[in-house]
Amino acid sequence: KAGVTQTPRYLIKTRGQQVTLSCSPISGHRSVSWYQQTPGQGLQFLFEYFSETQRNKGNFPGRFSGRQFSNSRSEMNVSTLELGDSALYLCASSLLGGERGEQFFGPGTRLTVL
Amino acid sequence: GQQLNQSPQSMFIQEGEDVSMNCTSSSIFNTWLWYKQDPGEGPVLLIALYKAGELTSNGRLTAQFGITRKDSFLNISASIPSDVGIYFCAGQPIQGAQKLVFGQGTRLTINP
Repeated sequence: KAGVTQTPRYLIKTRGQQVTLSCSPISGHRSVSWYQQTPGQGLQFLFEYFSETQRNKGNFPGRFSGRQFSNSRSEMNVSTLELGDSALYLCASSLLGGERGEQFFGPGTRLTVL
Repeated sequence: GQQLNQSPQSMFIQEGEDVSMNCTSSSIFNTWLWYKQDPGEGPVLLIALYKAGELTSNGRLTAQFGITRKDSFLNISASIPSDVGIYFCAGQPIQGAQKLVFGQGTRLTINP
């Protein structure tokens, strides 16, 4: 079974631009979560989608948004990019998104903001 | 944001040695997870723990879910070069089940 895939793997943007990242979960998984990983803050939860609905949200500004499609694929968008948004953005999928916390991560998208 | 207290932050050991790392929290968690991350890759799930007191092994790896539900440890026995990487603990909160909270990571370096 194929793992979680994320595209693109690398991205370079300039301040003020916006960016869209894509995530395809493991086949059959309905929950998709997004995390930001930086050297200073570590892994921080952004949001989680289940059946096209946002169920949980982390403490990030409204510039960070996401959505999930009927095939469980998810996108996250960051508008008005800031230098501090440079990070590895990780997507994780889970079978049911319920009591079992197992999440399986993709390879990430490395975003650099200049 | 909330983070777990993971220690040590880094370890430098000789090949063949055993390794031990742990995570503590002021909050109770439903599930404890241990991940390993290699450079340029996403975290890979190593072990998942679901019950307080549970001891689970995966090859040379052994992890335990603390009785208080506020801590967990991971042991690696007879380390080998491919064990090099960053190990993360993660807790699944009671509320917001998919909102994993991560430790800061333990960077493991092995001298052959």
